[in-house]
Amino acid sequence: GEKVEQHESTLSVREGDSAVINCTYTDTASSYFPWYKQEAGKSLHFVIDIRSNVDRKQSQRLIVLLDKKAKRFSLHITATQPEDSAIYFCAASTGSNNRIFFGDGTQLVVKP
Amino acid sequence: EAAVTQSPRNKVAVTGGKVTLSCNQTNNHNNMYWYRQDTGHGLRLIHYSYGAGSTEKGDIPDGYKASRPSQENFSLILELATPSQTSVYFCASGGAWVEQYFGPGTRLTVL
Repeated sequence: GEKVEQHESTLSVREGDSAVINCTYTDTASSYFPWYKQEAGKSLHFVIDIRSNVDRKQSQRLIVLLDKKAKRFSLHITATQPEDSAIYFCAASTGSNNRIFFGDGTQLVVKP
Repeated sequence: EAAVTQSPRNKVAVTGGKVTLSCNQTNNHNNMYWYRQDTGHGLRLIHYSYGAGSTEKGDIPDGYKASRPSQENFSLILELATPSQTSVYFCASGGAWVEQYFGPGTRLTVL
């Protein structure tokens, strides 16, 4: 089945800097790539997604890039703020079996 | 607004005991999921369901059963709980092509 790897287990940035979280996937049939955020002690919630018909998507300070040839996608958070501190999960789905495959998460710490 | 609730929020069980975790969604989603989250393992899929009456095995189904008696409800059952099942359990509804909505989680401790 699909395997999603998150390359950074932890990431520390200064407030105002950009943060980049990188993920790779194995199944060339994957075509939907969502990102989830989990704040300390809380549940996960959706933040942004990208589908394989585009290679870039932006929502306010969040940018997702998709490189289908390299089977790689990334989340860019610009002008980071302390409230961006959280665990971020990338995921991938082929649409079959009605399930998505999660990476192991990246702990982002934004230092003041 | 999409909503997923879980009960109980915290549970302490004894080894060998039976534990039932319940999940309810008001999103009218066909698909529902049970995950567990452990440090160092991210989220792991235990069971999922396409709709009422259906259950499917995920990646780590051993020691767990699931039940989907209705569109709204999805339960996870530990017939004989073991300390290795101590974890945080999340229920979600949604799909593989759209956003999944997660419940608040249940913290289970098996002594």
